[in-house]
Amino acid sequence: DQQVKQNSPSLSVQEGRISILNCDYTNSMFDYFLWYKKYPAEGPTFLISISSIKDKNEDGRFTVFLNKSAKHLSLHIVPSQPGDSAVYFCAASWSSGSARQLTFGSGTQLTVLP
Amino acid sequence: DAGVIQSPRHEVTEMGQEVTLRCKPISGHDYLFWYRQTMMRGLELLIYFNNNVPIDDSGMPEDRFSAKMPNASFSTLKIQPSEPRDSAVYFCASSLEQQNTEAFFGQGTRLTVV
Repeated sequence: DQQVKQNSPSLSVQEGRISILNCDYTNSMFDYFLWYKKYPAEGPTFLISISSIKDKNEDGRFTVFLNKSAKHLSLHIVPSQPGDSAVYFCAASWSSGSARQLTFGSGTQLTVLP
Repeated sequence: DAGVIQSPRHEVTEMGQEVTLRCKPISGHDYLFWYRQTMMRGLELLIYFNNNVPIDDSGMPEDRFSAKMPNASFSTLKIQPSEPRDSAVYFCASSLEQQNTEAFFGQGTRLTVV
Protein backbone atom coordinates (compact mmCIF):
# COMPACT_ATOMS: atom_id res chain seq x y z
CA ASP A 1 0.00 0.00 0.00
CA GLN A 2 1.48 3.33 -1.08
CA GLN A 3 1.86 5.71 1.84
CA VAL A 4 2.67 8.66 -0.41
CA LYS A 5 0.51 9.16 -3.49
CA GLN A 6 0.79 11.44 -6.47
CA ASN A 7 -2.40 10.80 -8.38
CA SER A 8 -1.55 12.87 -11.44
CA PRO A 9 1.11 11.20 -13.57
CA SER A 10 1.41 14.25 -15.79
CA LEU A 11 0.63 17.98 -15.93
CA SER A 12 1.00 20.52 -18.74
CA VAL A 13 1.12 24.24 -18.06
CA GLN A 14 1.71 27.29 -20.19
CA GLU A 15 4.88 29.27 -19.57
CA GLY A 16 4.29 32.08 -17.07
CA ARG A 17 1.29 30.42 -15.47
CA ILE A 18 1.15 28.63 -12.13
CA SER A 19 1.94 24.92 -11.81
CA ILE A 20 0.33 23.08 -8.92
CA LEU A 21 1.52 19.59 -8.10
CA ASN A 22 -0.34 17.60 -5.49
CA CYS A 23 0.57 14.85 -3.06
CA ASP A 24 -1.40 12.88 -0.48
CA TYR A 25 -0.10 10.74 2.34
CA THR A 26 -1.63 8.22 4.69
CA ASN A 27 0.91 7.79 7.50
CA SER A 28 0.20 10.29 10.30
CA MET A 29 3.71 9.68 11.67
CA PHE A 30 5.29 11.59 8.79
CA ASP A 31 6.74 14.84 10.12
CA TYR A 32 8.91 16.09 7.29
CA PHE A 33 8.06 16.48 3.63
CA LEU A 34 10.22 17.13 0.60
CA TRP A 35 9.92 17.73 -3.11
CA TYR A 36 12.54 16.48 -5.53
CA LYS A 37 12.95 17.31 -9.19
CA LYS A 38 14.32 14.82 -11.71
CA TYR A 39 15.56 15.45 -15.22
CA PRO A 40 16.03 12.54 -17.67
CA ALA A 41 19.22 10.53 -17.14
CA GLU A 42 19.93 12.32 -13.86
CA GLY A 43 19.29 11.52 -10.22
CA PRO A 44 16.58 13.34 -8.27
CA THR A 45 17.68 16.65 -6.79
CA PHE A 46 16.24 18.27 -3.70
CA LEU A 47 13.97 21.23 -4.34
CA ILE A 48 12.17 22.33 -1.19
CA SER A 49 10.98 20.90 2.11
CA ILE A 50 8.57 21.60 4.94
CA SER A 51 8.35 20.46 8.53
CA SER A 52 5.03 19.36 9.95
CA ILE A 53 5.08 22.28 12.38
CA LYS A 54 4.60 24.65 9.46
CA ASP A 55 1.91 24.99 6.82
CA LYS A 56 3.87 26.92 4.22
CA ASN A 57 7.44 27.28 3.03
CA GLU A 58 8.53 29.54 0.22
CA ASP A 59 11.74 29.65 -1.78
CA GLY A 60 11.73 31.96 -4.76
CA ARG A 61 9.27 30.72 -7.35
CA PHE A 62 8.56 27.56 -5.33
CA THR A 63 6.11 27.30 -2.45
CA VAL A 64 5.07 24.17 -0.61
CA PHE A 65 1.81 24.05 1.33
CA LEU A 66 0.99 21.46 3.97
CA ASN A 67 -2.52 20.61 5.17
CA LYS A 68 -2.03 18.12 8.00
CA SER A 69 -5.71 17.55 8.67
CA ALA A 70 -6.23 16.53 5.05
CA LYS A 71 -2.84 14.77 4.85
CA HIS A 72 -2.16 16.73 1.70
CA LEU A 73 0.68 18.83 0.40
CA SER A 74 1.16 20.76 -2.78
CA LEU A 75 3.97 22.43 -4.66
CA HIS A 76 3.27 25.71 -6.43
CA ILE A 77 5.60 27.02 -9.10
CA VAL A 78 4.96 30.55 -10.26
CA PRO A 79 5.73 31.71 -12.82
CA SER A 80 6.41 28.39 -14.55
CA GLN A 81 9.35 28.26 -16.94
CA PRO A 82 10.23 25.72 -19.67
CA GLY A 83 13.29 24.70 -17.61
CA ASP A 84 10.92 23.51 -14.90
CA SER A 85 9.83 20.64 -17.14
CA ALA A 86 10.84 17.52 -15.20
CA VAL A 87 9.43 14.74 -13.04
CA TYR A 88 8.56 15.96 -9.55
CA PHE A 89 8.60 13.52 -6.67
CA CYS A 90 6.92 14.12 -3.35
CA ALA A 91 8.63 12.44 -0.37
CA ALA A 92 7.87 12.07 3.31
CA SER A 93 9.84 10.93 6.29
CA TRP A 94 9.54 10.29 9.99
CA SER A 95 12.01 9.79 12.76
CA SER A 96 11.97 6.27 14.13
CA GLY A 97 14.66 6.10 16.77
CA SER A 98 17.78 7.07 14.88
CA ALA A 99 16.36 6.13 11.53
CA ARG A 100 15.13 8.64 9.00
CA GLN A 101 14.12 7.27 5.64
CA LEU A 102 12.25 8.82 2.74
CA THR A 103 9.11 7.36 1.22
CA PHE A 104 8.49 8.64 -2.29
CA GLY A 105 5.43 9.06 -4.42
CA SER A 106 5.35 7.80 -7.99
CA GLY A 107 6.09 11.21 -9.50
CA THR A 108 4.35 13.76 -11.73
CA GLN A 109 5.76 14.70 -15.12
CA LEU A 110 5.47 18.49 -15.49
CA THR A 111 5.68 19.95 -18.96
CA VAL A 112 5.86 23.73 -19.28
CA LEU A 113 4.90 24.82 -22.78
CA PRO A 114 6.62 27.87 -24.26
CA ASP B 1 32.83 16.94 -3.20
CA ALA B 2 31.81 15.25 -6.46
CA GLY B 3 28.52 14.08 -5.01
CA VAL B 4 27.25 10.52 -4.91
CA ILE B 5 29.02 8.46 -7.57
CA GLN B 6 27.46 5.37 -9.09
CA SER B 7 28.90 2.90 -11.55
CA PRO B 8 28.26 1.73 -14.12
CA ARG B 9 25.84 4.25 -15.66
CA HIS B 10 24.38 1.58 -17.89
CA GLU B 11 24.42 -2.19 -17.63
CA VAL B 12 23.00 -4.69 -20.09
CA THR B 13 23.20 -8.32 -19.08
CA GLU B 14 21.65 -11.64 -19.92
CA MET B 15 19.10 -13.31 -17.71
CA GLY B 16 20.76 -15.49 -15.12
CA GLN B 17 23.96 -13.48 -14.91
CA GLU B 18 25.20 -11.77 -11.76
CA VAL B 19 25.04 -7.98 -11.69
CA THR B 20 26.89 -5.72 -9.27
CA LEU B 21 26.08 -2.04 -8.91
CA ARG B 22 28.47 0.27 -7.08
CA CYS B 23 28.09 3.43 -5.06
CA LYS B 24 30.40 5.94 -3.41
CA PRO B 25 28.47 8.20 -1.02
CA ILE B 26 29.33 11.78 -0.17
CA SER B 27 32.19 11.86 2.31
CA GLY B 28 30.96 12.32 5.87
CA HIS B 29 27.42 11.16 5.22
CA ASP B 30 26.15 8.63 7.74
CA TYR B 31 23.24 7.16 5.78
CA LEU B 32 23.29 5.33 2.47
CA PHE B 33 20.16 4.32 0.59
CA TRP B 34 19.52 2.11 -2.43
CA TYR B 35 16.38 2.92 -4.45
CA ARG B 36 14.86 1.39 -7.57
CA GLN B 37 12.80 3.41 -10.04
CA THR B 38 10.23 1.77 -12.29
CA MET B 39 7.38 3.20 -14.30
CA MET B 40 4.79 1.34 -12.28
CA ARG B 41 6.05 1.91 -8.75
CA GLY B 42 8.12 5.08 -8.91
CA LEU B 43 11.01 5.28 -6.44
CA GLU B 44 11.11 2.33 -4.05
CA LEU B 45 13.51 2.08 -1.13
CA LEU B 46 15.32 -1.25 -1.24
CA ILE B 47 17.68 -1.02 1.73
CA TYR B 48 19.51 1.56 3.79
CA PHE B 49 22.61 1.65 5.94
CA ASN B 50 23.57 3.77 8.93
CA ASN B 51 27.29 3.96 9.68
CA ASN B 52 27.86 0.97 7.35
CA VAL B 53 25.32 -1.20 9.16
CA PRO B 54 22.18 -2.38 7.28
CA ILE B 55 19.17 -1.00 9.14
CA ASP B 56 16.17 -1.94 7.03
CA ASP B 57 16.21 -4.31 4.08
CA SER B 58 12.48 -4.92 3.97
CA GLY B 59 12.31 -3.35 0.53
CA MET B 60 14.64 -5.88 -1.03
CA PRO B 61 12.34 -7.77 -3.38
CA GLU B 62 13.86 -11.24 -3.17
CA ASP B 63 16.79 -13.25 -1.90
CA ARG B 64 18.38 -12.70 -5.28
CA PHE B 65 19.13 -9.15 -4.11
CA SER B 66 21.89 -8.41 -1.60
CA ALA B 67 23.70 -5.27 -0.52
CA LYS B 68 26.89 -4.62 1.38
CA MET B 69 28.73 -1.63 2.76
CA PRO B 70 32.24 -2.76 3.71
CA ASN B 71 33.34 0.77 4.60
CA ALA B 72 32.05 4.32 4.80
CA SER B 73 32.97 5.14 1.21
CA PHE B 74 31.67 2.15 -0.73
CA SER B 75 28.54 0.08 -1.15
CA THR B 76 27.39 -2.58 -3.60
CA LEU B 77 24.01 -3.91 -4.67
CA LYS B 78 24.17 -7.37 -6.19
CA ILE B 79 21.54 -9.29 -8.10
CA GLN B 80 22.21 -12.99 -8.61
CA PRO B 81 20.73 -14.40 -10.77
CA SER B 82 19.28 -11.46 -12.65
CA GLU B 83 15.87 -11.60 -14.34
CA PRO B 84 14.22 -9.38 -17.00
CA ARG B 85 11.84 -7.93 -14.39
CA ASP B 86 14.83 -6.50 -12.55
CA SER B 87 15.28 -4.02 -15.39
CA ALA B 88 15.02 -0.56 -13.86
CA VAL B 89 17.08 2.44 -12.84
CA TYR B 90 18.83 1.92 -9.52
CA PHE B 91 19.75 4.96 -7.46
CA CYS B 92 22.08 5.31 -4.55
CA ALA B 93 21.65 8.23 -2.14
CA SER B 94 23.37 9.45 1.00
CA SER B 95 22.49 11.84 3.79
CA LEU B 96 23.71 13.21 7.08
CA GLU B 97 22.76 11.94 10.53
CA GLN B 98 20.78 14.94 11.66
CA GLN B 99 17.03 15.16 11.25
CA ASN B 100 15.24 17.19 8.63
CA THR B 101 17.89 16.90 6.00
CA GLU B 102 17.59 15.85 2.42
CA ALA B 103 19.19 12.87 0.72
CA PHE B 104 21.57 13.44 -2.19
CA PHE B 105 21.21 11.10 -5.13
CA GLY B 106 23.66 9.69 -7.61
CA GLN B 107 22.94 9.70 -11.34
CA GLY B 108 21.69 6.14 -11.25
CA THR B 109 22.49 2.88 -13.03
CA ARG B 110 20.14 1.87 -15.81
CA LEU B 111 19.97 -1.93 -15.73
CA THR B 112 18.59 -3.92 -18.63
CA VAL B 113 18.30 -7.67 -18.29
CA VAL B 114 17.58 -9.43 -21.57
